[in-house]
Amino acid sequence: EAQVTQNPRYLITVTGKKLTVTCSQNMNHEYMSWYRQDPGLGLRQIYYSMNVEVTDKGDVPEGYKVSRKEKRNFPLILESPSPNQTSLYFCASSGTGGRINQPQHFGDGTRLSIL
Amino acid sequence: AQKITQTQPGMFVQEKEAVTLDCTYDTSDPSYGLFWYKQPSSGEMIFLIYQGSYDQQNATEGRYSLNFQKARKSANLVISASQLGDSAMYFCAMREMDTDKLIFGTGTRLQVFP
Repeated sequence: EAQVTQNPRYLITVTGKKLTVTCSQNMNHEYMSWYRQDPGLGLRQIYYSMNVEVTDKGDVPEGYKVSRKEKRNFPLILESPSPNQTSLYFCASSGTGGRINQPQHFGDGTRLSIL
Repeated sequence: AQKITQTQPGMFVQEKEAVTLDCTYDTSDPSYGLFWYKQPSSGEMIFLIYQGSYDQQNATEGRYSLNFQKARKSANLVISASQLGDSAMYFCAMREMDTDKLIFGTGTRLQVFP
């Protein structure tokens, strides 16, 4: 089954404790992206990647890191999490054939709470 | 600057009626794509429909259609014959050819009542 898999689905942690949210897709997609969703703000793009070893900042990259060493994986790293990073996070992927007309396939989301 | 605006925080519609969810956008890129996504209370994001900036006809997918008015920079989603299962949050999004970023609006919460 074609899917984007995020782990963990839920995480409660404390300020300053490094964490990684994993994202994996099995559709051989070139484009992968991370978003955070906050009430009243919709989804905002954190980072995106056009292909292996190519990453770019979205609109809210501060406090986050990403890497794309393999095509299927795109982990999101919070080196020193803070309470303002409490949010619902989505990973998404899409093919680049035709580029802009490719819809994003989303993971089920990771609800992150930082105390 | 790239921007998506959804001015309706919430909408109500009776079952079997049609409803229009508004979306306006701003971009200087002549080549872009517009998307609508549905987010039910369970949280997943479901792709509904796509419209390209060069598409001559309005997109349709089953009960969903997109009223695309390029000169007005609007891409409204029309849901015909609403069903109770249509109750959800709906997001409009845009992707530019130049930047590859995907920008979302703040969403509209649709409630369908019997």
